[in-house]
Amino acid sequence: SYELTQPPSVSVSPGQTARITCSGDALPKKNVYWYQQRPGQAPVLVIYKDSERPSGMPERFSGSRSGTTVTLTISGVQAEDEADYYCQSAVSSGNYVVFGGGTQLTVL
Amino acid sequence: QVQLQQWGAGLLKASETLSLTCAVYGGSFSDFFWSWVRQSPGKGLEWIGEINHGGSTNYNPSLKSRVTMSVDTSKDQFSLRLSSVTAADTAFYYCARGRIVATTQNYFDYWGQGTQVTVSS
Repeated sequence: SYELTQPPSVSVSPGQTARITCSGDALPKKNVYWYQQRPGQAPVLVIYKDSERPSGMPERFSGSRSGTTVTLTISGVQAEDEADYYCQSAVSSGNYVVFGGGTQLTVL
Repeated sequence: QVQLQQWGAGLLKASETLSLTCAVYGGSFSDFFWSWVRQSPGKGLEWIGEINHGGSTNYNPSLKSRVTMSVDTSKDQFSLRLSSVTAADTAFYYCARGRIVATTQNYFDYWGQGTQVTVSS
């Protein structure tokens, strides 16, 4: 089965830059999407097609890729950004969806 | 504005069938695939499967033998049935809007509020 790998946790101080990675063998050929999930809430799409921001998403959220690794970057982290972040991709022409294991972002 | 509202039984006994329904308000029901995603306690997200307005489905291979999805186009609703549940199926279940029909970019831009389903033995 296809897997996406994320670090379990990332910690940053307010105002600093957080980088959350997602790796997978097939990622060079597949777009990646990122979700933010705060406790007790449904996930929210923060990045789609590797680097596009949905309407209304703050510019401090950005996405990039290098080879088999994609990265979600949050610049100028704020306390409200503390949440779990999940990467997601789709294989088999979009017919099968896979999520990464999630990364807990802690704002110190 | 698109809204998804879901409902269903929250407490089941082992071997019973889980049944959830999601109603879509706003936007075009027929232009998209509609998915179910679950999250076990303290765990990550797991995609269960998707369905479109014509009833075409794709399921997660790990759950395929127990999953049935259906659609009611007259009400813009879609449903999930998961048979022979066990404690391992205890999770928060979400409905979500997925990809545009006939595209491969599959991601979820609108989500339901979620339903906690607990399976007791």
